[in-house]
Amino acid sequence: SAVISQKPSRDICQRGTSLTIQCQVDSQVTMMFWYRQQPGQSLTLIATANQGSEATYESGFVIDKFPISRPNLTFSTLTVSNMSPEDSSIYLCSVEVLNEQYFGPGTRLTVT
Amino acid sequence: AQSVTQPDIHITVSEGASLELRCNYSYGATPYLFWYVQSPGQGLQLLLKYFSGDTLVQGIKGFEAEFKRSQSSFNLRKPSVHWSDAAEYFCAVGYNFNKFYFGSGTKLNVKP
Repeated sequence: SAVISQKPSRDICQRGTSLTIQCQVDSQVTMMFWYRQQPGQSLTLIATANQGSEATYESGFVIDKFPISRPNLTFSTLTVSNMSPEDSSIYLCSVEVLNEQYFGPGTRLTVT
Repeated sequence: AQSVTQPDIHITVSEGASLELRCNYSYGATPYLFWYVQSPGQGLQLLLKYFSGDTLVQGIKGFEAEFKRSQSSFNLRKPSVHWSDAAEYFCAVGYNFNKFYFGSGTKLNVKP
C-alpha cells in the first residue's frame, strides 16, 4: 500500500497569485499523478510526473499554468499559477503501487 | 475517445435496502475498471477493480460489481446498505492501473 500526504490541506488565495501544493508518499514510486476535482464534478487528470523527466500534461492543461516538480521518488509539487476563481478545486495526487492506485486526501483551493 | 458515464447523479435508498449504481464506458480496448468511494472530507478509497477473469468481482465493505462487455457496463451493487455507505461513488476506466478516466460520480444518501 501507499500512504500519501498533501500540504496544505486547504487554502484561500487571491486571484493573480500562485500556490504550490506538496505531495509526499511513504514509499518510492515511479509515477505520480495530479488530478483536479472542480466543485460538483469528477476528477480530471492534469499530468503525469516521472522522476527525472518533464511532466506529461493532458489536453487542456499546460506547464505554464500548472508547473510540476518531481525531485525524487517520494515527492512532487504542483503549482497553480496566476490563479483565477475558476481554479477553485480540490487538487489530488495519486500513485500506483502494485497495480493499485492510491490517492492523497486532496488540497481544497478557493480563489477569491 | 474514452468516456465514463454514471447516469445517476443522486440516489437515495433506505438502510437495509439493496443498491445498484450504474456505470457505462466507451473505450477502444479492453478496459481496466474501478470503483472508488469518497466520503465527505476524505480521500478516494478503492472499493474494487476488474482487469480480467471472473466478471463478477468482490470488493471491500460488502460491495460487488459485474463487468458486462456486451453492455459496456460495470455496475456496482450491495445487497444491504448501511448508513455508513452514504458517500460519493466514482467509476473509473483506464489503460492500466494508473491513468484513469473518471465518471461524474453518484452521491448516495441513506435514509434511516
